[in-house]
Amino acid sequence: DQQVKQNSPSLSVQEGRISILNCDYTNSMFDYFLWYKKYPAEGPTFLISISSIKDKNEDGRFTVFLNKSAKHLSLHIVPSQPGDSAVYFCAASASGGTSYGKLTFGQGTILTVHP
Amino acid sequence: NAGVTQTPKFQVLKTGQSMTLQCAQDMNHNSMYWYRQDPGMGLRLIYYSASEGTTDKGEVPNGYNVSRLNKREFSLRLESAAPSQTSVYFCASTRIFGGAVETQYFGPGTRLLVL
Repeated sequence: DQQVKQNSPSLSVQEGRISILNCDYTNSMFDYFLWYKKYPAEGPTFLISISSIKDKNEDGRFTVFLNKSAKHLSLHIVPSQPGDSAVYFCAASASGGTSYGKLTFGQGTILTVHP
Repeated sequence: NAGVTQTPKFQVLKTGQSMTLQCAQDMNHNSMYWYRQDPGMGLRLIYYSASEGTTDKGEVPNGYNVSRLNKREFSLRLESAAPSQTSVYFCASTRIFGGAVETQYFGPGTRLLVL
């Protein structure tokens, strides 16, 4: 049972335009969500996160939106740059004493930004 | 700070051979994790250590063992490697305090090929 899903394996965007990456989850216990970016032959690097008490979090060109009722979150990158080309993973976690910070990851979306 | 380091970077094994993947962090984190990444599957948790002296199974623990050697180091052992264990292995660490979730930081990965 895939508790975190990224249904788009790939996304292609023109430089300067908006990139929108989507993620759905099924476990209602999840209350903390993260996006990681991964380049080939490197480990994932943290990009941005959001707690379930918020519906939006911004950091420069990156904004994450959370719709709790739909169990859906999205990452917006504006404007997109060629250096943003990477694999993006959505991850979710449940706070509380027994979760121990464990993350559940989606399958990833390959973003390609064309010059 | 080096962050999270992993050795080796790449390893080829024959079926039935054993090996240990090493991971160390210098961020004074109390929790550490081992994930594997397979194409189309995202990252899946193998084992984790919530604190020094404790370890527990994740989503895909079969065929693996772990040791939390001290606060800094967390190793993953394959006792008898199988081709199904061909994957990229990532170690991660974070600080867990009061049940709150914080960002996990990842190492660069170990690429393992089992023939």
